Amino acid sequence: GESVGLHLPTLSVQEGDNSIINCAYSNSASDYFIWYKQESGKGPQFIIDIRSNMDKRQGQRVTVLLNKTVKHLSLQIAATQPGDSAVYFCAELQGGKLIFGQGTELSVKP
Amino acid sequence: DAGVIQSPRHEVTEMGQEVTLRCKPISGHDYLFWYRQTMMRGLELLIYFNNNVPIDDSGMPEDRFSAKMPNASFSTLKIQPSEPRDSAVYFCASSLTSTGKNGYTFGSGTRLTVV
Repeated sequence: GESVGLHLPTLSVQEGDNSIINCAYSNSASDYFIWYKQESGKGPQFIIDIRSNMDKRQGQRVTVLLNKTVKHLSLQIAATQPGDSAVYFCAELQGGKLIFGQGTELSVKP
Repeated sequence: DAGVIQSPRHEVTEMGQEVTLRCKPISGHDYLFWYRQTMMRGLELLIYFNNNVPIDDSGMPEDRFSAKMPNASFSTLKIQPSEPRDSAVYFCASSLTSTGKNGYTFGSGTRLTVV
């Protein structure tokens, strides 16, 4: 999930397991959401997006779920691999600007 | 395409000095964004441009920060004078549209340390 503070929430999973990363967004009027992956020393990288007229969207090994009732977004990663270890951010489009959440660190144990 | 190119990758400077960060967006992208990343505040949008014109600079922390985009292929973020609390990673991103369909493309960032 998301939190504000000095330490990122951390999710630790075994290689091959499925991962679920959660995000609570702030603005009920937001109509576009994106998940980004940031590896150490690199910029955020687009993973998958979803518009508010959808509640689910699937990509390659990733699925994003949107629950507008409770303003909740989740990213599911199937068969998590060591290369998936990174910080994951959700972002919402507000007033033409992408606003990022605080991020969740995913650690994959071999 | 080489993606969004930022320079320098690392910058260490003394408090009070002027710092200039540089960005080359992806060719054809009309929107350019400057973000700052810290552990305390996460990724914050500082300013963005459309067709070289600043649209929203409400995230710029104070007058010590300024950004320019003299042409479609180059932007700068300047801090003068720099302070230790400016230490952060600064990212530039570009996009075809403001809504960022398929997301913004980020550069690798400039890690700024002010001592």
